[in-house]
Amino acid sequence: AQSVTQLGSHVSVSEGALVLLRCNYSSSVPPYLFWYVQYPNQGLQLLLKYTSAATLVKGINGFEAEFKKSETSFHLTKPSAHMSDAAEYFCAVSENTGGFKTIFGAGTRLFVKA
Amino acid sequence: SQTIHQWPATLVQPVGSPLSLECTVEGTSNPNLYWYRQAAGRGLQLLFYSVGIGQISSEVPQNLSASRPQDRQFILSSKKLLLSDSGFYLCAWSTHPRGTEAFFGQGTRLTVV
Repeated sequence: AQSVTQLGSHVSVSEGALVLLRCNYSSSVPPYLFWYVQYPNQGLQLLLKYTSAATLVKGINGFEAEFKKSETSFHLTKPSAHMSDAAEYFCAVSENTGGFKTIFGAGTRLFVKA
Repeated sequence: SQTIHQWPATLVQPVGSPLSLECTVEGTSNPNLYWYRQAAGRGLQLLFYSVGIGQISSEVPQNLSASRPQDRQFILSSKKLLLSDSGFYLCAWSTHPRGTEAFFGQGTRLTVV
C-alpha cells in the first residue's frame, strides 16, 4: 500500500531564505510523485511531478524537488522564499503501473516572515 | 483546454438535511473522477472515485454516496447530514486510464450546523 509522510505540519522561513519541505513515501511499485500547493479556500494546483524521468524535477514558481529512491524521499525546495509562497503544500504519490489513485500527505503549511 | 467546475462554493446545512454537490469537467472525455474531503490538519481523504459512467468505488464507509450519471458529471450526495460531514470537499479529474496528476476544482466549504 502506498503512503506519504510530510515531516512538519508547519514550517516558517524568512523572506529570501531557503525553503525545504520534507516528504517521504512508501510504495511497493515504482511511484509517480507530486507536489501540490493550496491557497486559502481554493483547490490544489500542481507544482511539479516525478514520473521516472529525471530525478531532479523543476516546477512552477521556482520550486524543485529531487527523487531519492534510496531514501524514499521527494523533498521540495526553493532557494529564496517570497511572501507569495505562503500556502499549504501537499506531497502525493500514485502508482505508475496502471493505478491512478493519488494518496496525499497531511500537508505542510508554509509561513514566510518579512 | 480542460476545465472543472464545482458548486456551490460554500454551503451551510442543518443536521439531518440532504446534500448534493455537483462537479462537471469540460474539454476531455471519459476522465477519472474523484471526490476528496479535506479536514483541518488531516490532508486530503479520498472518498470516491469513478472510471466511467455508473462506476463508483468507495474508499471509506460513511454517510455519503456518489453518482456519475453522465461522462463528465460527478455528484456527491447524502440523505441526512451529520455534524462530522463538515469540511472542504474537492472534486478532481485525471486522464483515463493511466492518469498521472489530478486537476482540482475550487472546492466546496460545507458547514453542518
